[in-house]
Amino acid sequence: GAVVSQHPSRVICKSGTSVKIECRSLDFQATTMFWYRQFPKQSLMLMATSNEGSKATYEQGVEKDKFLINHASLTLSTLTVTSAHPEDSSFYICSARGRGSSYNSPLHFGNGTRLTVT
Amino acid sequence: QKEVEQNSGPLSVPEGAIASLNCTYSDRGSQSFFWYRQYSGKSPELIMSIYSNGDKEDGRFTAQLNKASQYVSLLIRDSQPSDSATYLCAVSRDNYGQNFVFGPGTRLSVLP
Repeated sequence: GAVVSQHPSRVICKSGTSVKIECRSLDFQATTMFWYRQFPKQSLMLMATSNEGSKATYEQGVEKDKFLINHASLTLSTLTVTSAHPEDSSFYICSARGRGSSYNSPLHFGNGTRLTVT
Repeated sequence: QKEVEQNSGPLSVPEGAIASLNCTYSDRGSQSFFWYRQYSGKSPELIMSIYSNGDKEDGRFTAQLNKASQYVSLLIRDSQPSDSATYLCAVSRDNYGQNFVFGPGTRLSVLP
């Protein structure tokens, strides 16, 4: 149980274009989804937290107009990187928690998306 | 002081040895603690969770928690080359599981 699917696994785009990454919970209702970014040899950095049906909460330093997050349903959240630039190249990972999760519930991660902006 | 600290490594151990990974955290109100394993280019996968002081064993893995010292560790017995990965310590700080903080990770290399 608790499977999180992320798509695409790898994407290459040109500078200035936008890229959408999907995160789906396959066998549970994800009331909260988290989006992380990870640069090479660095740890996970939380970008934003989204609760179904409400606006995402962004971490300090993350531009909400550049990283658009939509969590319109209990099984799908999307991250759109708008006007991507080479410095946005990174590994983006989503995670989700289901209804009734508490402090002792682990995060379930998607497989990640490797974004390369040329 | 960073919220969750780990030795970045690399930690190298011979095959069959015990690997000891350490993590300290700054927030005394932290509720629960998780160890994740991350292979290069992959997303983290949960290895163990621990909530109470003491030891928790699962197969070759043992998690140890000492809340007074704000310290959590992971022991891997009979280390295998396939255990070579980065190990992330994660701390949940609130009652609703919304506030997760990850450490920088420790790279473990098990030498055959």
